[in-house]
Order: sequence, then structure tokens, then C-alpha cells
Amino acid sequence: GIQVEQSPPDLILQEGANSTLRCNFSDSVNNLQWFHQNPWGQLINLFYIPSGTKQNGRLSATTVATERYSLLYISSSQTTDSGVYFCAGCFTGTASKLTFGTGTRLQVTL
Amino acid sequence: DAGITQSPRHKVTETGTPVTLRCHQTENHRYMYWYRQDPGHGLRLIHYSYGVKDTDKGEVSDGYSVSRSKTEDFLLTLESATSSQTSVYFCAMGRAGPYEQYFGPGTRLTVT
Repeated sequence: GIQVEQSPPDLILQEGANSTLRCNFSDSVNNLQWFHQNPWGQLINLFYIPSGTKQNGRLSATTVATERYSLLYISSSQTTDSGVYFCAGCFTGTASKLTFGTGTRLQVTL
Repeated sequence: DAGITQSPRHKVTETGTPVTLRCHQTENHRYMYWYRQDPGHGLRLIHYSYGVKDTDKGEVSDGYSVSRSKTEDFLLTLESATSSQTSVYFCAMGRAGPYEQYFGPGTRLTVT
């Protein structure tokens, strides 16, 4: 079946460090989203990025659809970046249903 | 997203009782979804709706039913709650097609 794999599963950073989170998917996607789940459980939309590169402040994302992966870059990390980052894909032939990865848990320390 | 709410936000219920969770959106989005989140599984789709009275199953639909009588409301019902349905439930909305989905704040359900 369709699979979305995220790496690393866990990441600990010192404040100010940079990081790259990876999302591999097993089939062609029509839609690829990145979410941040904060410590209070809220799911926050970061990027809608079926292909190409987008930037929003200290965060940026790149999806290479032909090679079936997406990357999320966090620069100059802050403690407020802590939480779980999910990628989710809407795959060709699956209507508008998102399939989620199991997430990368990020902890940013002082 | 401020345009989508869920109620209740927390609920504790006993095994065997019926439970209904409500999702309400003010964005007039055609598609609505119910997911559950469990440790080690990310979010998994339970049911979704692509219009009023139009619904379909997701990957973990057993034990759940849904209804959508108005564009803005999508209800998830556990006919007879079991402990395995203890989870955090998220509702989402989106436009037709593979467009961005927006999530509600979640409902934490505990079945004792």
C-alpha cells in the first residue's frame, strides 16, 4: 500500500541550530503538506507543496515529486519550534485523502 | 484554523455507550474528514465526506459511522464505544480536489 516515511523519528537540537527533516513517499502525489503539531496538540499548516520550493520565515520546504521526497528545513531553531512535524500526501487515484507519515519529534533546548 | 471547531474537546465515556463528536466549519468547504491519532501511527483517516449526504470510508472505519446533513456539520458516531477507540480525534476540511486541508483543534476521547 501507499507509504509515507519520515526521518529522523526523533531530533534534539540546541537553540540556533539548523535541521533538515525528510519525507519519502511510495507513489506519485497530487498534494504534499507539512504540519507542525505543537505541545498542546494543535496541528498547524506549514506548507502546501506538491512540487518546488517555498519559504516562510525560518522555514522552507522542497518537494521533488519525480524522486518522491520532500524536505523541510528549519534554520536558527527556537524552543517554540519543538513538537512533532508531519508530512502527508494525497496520492493519485485516492481522491482527496491524506496519508500521514508517523512524524519527526523535535526538541529544541536552550 | 479559526474556521473549524470541534465539540466536545474532551470526553470520558464508558465501554458500550454511544458517543457523537461534532465538527463545524464556517468556510463552506465541500470536503470534510475525520482522523484519529494514536502513538506510533500518525493520523489515520476514519471517514470523509465530499458533499451533503455523500460520505465514504477511510482506512480505519470499523466501529464508526458519520453523517453530514448540512455543509457546515460533520458528525462522527461511535455506536458502542470500546477501549480501542480511546484516541484523539481530528476533523479537517478542504476544497474539492487535492488541495490543502485544515484541521480542527481535536477531541480527546477516553473510553473506560
